[in-house]
Amino acid sequence: GIQVEQSPPDLILQEGANSTLRCNFSDSVNNLQWFHQNPWGQLINLFYIPSGTKQNGRLSATTVATERYSLLYISSSQTTDSGVYFCAVVFRGGSWGKLQFGAGTQVVVTP
Amino acid sequence: SQTIHQWPATLVQPVGSPLSLECTVEGTSNPNLYWYRQAAGRGLQLLFYSVGIGQISSEVPQNLSASRPQDRQFILSSKKLLLSDSGFYLCAWGRGPNEQFFGPGTRLTVL
Repeated sequence: GIQVEQSPPDLILQEGANSTLRCNFSDSVNNLQWFHQNPWGQLINLFYIPSGTKQNGRLSATTVATERYSLLYISSSQTTDSGVYFCAVVFRGGSWGKLQFGAGTQVVVTP
Repeated sequence: SQTIHQWPATLVQPVGSPLSLECTVEGTSNPNLYWYRQAAGRGLQLLFYSVGIGQISSEVPQNLSASRPQDRQFILSSKKLLLSDSGFYLCAWGRGPNEQFFGPGTRLTVL
């Protein structure tokens, strides 16, 4: 079936370290978003990136649509980066605008 | 700029009681509106979406219903809550397959 898979499921980092989170998806997409869910549950938009590369401060993302994966890079991690990172896609031909979420990557950044 | 509001922020309800959660969007017109639920664990699941007033599509058969009485208002309801309705409910707005933005969420506990 149509799937969104994220890896790794859990990540523990020391402050200052770099990391890469991966999202694989099983079919062509119209939309791909990366979110950070903070401890209060709020979903913060990080990137809208159905293809290409974007950067925002210490975060950057790359989506290779033809190979059906996206990567989120966190550089010089800080304790405020802790939380769950979600990848979500809208598959072509699916319900209009329906975001399908991966299971998330739980990131813990230690001082 | 656009903002999205949800209330209440938290709710504790007995089994069998009714439910009404409200979501409103400011700063945009004719948005697509969505209700998602995040159960225990990480995954988010789309419950309902609406492309206009009075137009509701359900993604998952369940004990809940949705209504859109005004352009920027989306309501999630139940006549009789079940224990399994507990979770974190998130409202979102977007345009077509494009970027979606989420509200702060309502944490519902059914006892």
